[in-house]
Amino acid sequence: GAGVSQSPSNKVTEKGKDVELRCDPISGHTALYWYRQSLGQGLEFLIYFQGNSAPDKSGLPSDRFSAERTGGSVSTLTIQRTQQEDSAVYLCASTEDRGRTEAFFGQGTRLTVV
Amino acid sequence: AQKVTQAQTEISVVEKEDVTLDCVYETRDTTYYLFWYKQPPSGELVFLIRRNSFDEQNEISGRYSWNFQKSTSSFNFTITASQVVDSAVYFCALSEPYNTDKLIFGTGTRLQVFP
Repeated sequence: GAGVSQSPSNKVTEKGKDVELRCDPISGHTALYWYRQSLGQGLEFLIYFQGNSAPDKSGLPSDRFSAERTGGSVSTLTIQRTQQEDSAVYLCASTEDRGRTEAFFGQGTRLTVV
Repeated sequence: AQKVTQAQTEISVVEKEDVTLDCVYETRDTTYYLFWYKQPPSGELVFLIRRNSFDEQNEISGRYSWNFQKSTSSFNFTITASQVVDSAVYFCALSEPYNTDKLIFGTGTRLQVFP
């Protein structure tokens, strides 16, 4: 596609439920990032995929969070047993050439845990 | 350690004023890249500029200019003759392609330009 696509754009879920957020990066981009942005806050790094290398999971806040990237393309961020503090906008970005080029961001998924 | 600091949380100016957004970074690498992104009220992050560590030449693009100084580990962003449409949150970011190779952002500076 022309840009990074994220789905759903909005998700409301009940506390304790699991959610899956999807990211379709720009075709050919080898690097993919997930960030979290709480209301009025900055971008918190969650996880980074680069090609076939093991992902950098150092930003995942707890073991309730996990992500995978299938076939070097689509990525899914899963949050298990959601908590109210998980409410935020989850942003996905992809880059063409590791950290050397600009990142293209999706519109984000706004997650609300009630 | 890889770190980006944007000490200014929020700045308010009146249209046509010049404004400078500060960015200070920390890195142990000699090769790194610096970026600025804009996040307007619509929410989507927009890339503004990329600068590699070997190029200290300042850059100007219309009303935007960037001052990269390795001696002070700073990459400041100036908007000349600000306009209401410049109102947004601006993020500075750093990547170390031969080290951690992930893009790390500062906490952002919210710029409000009043008419």
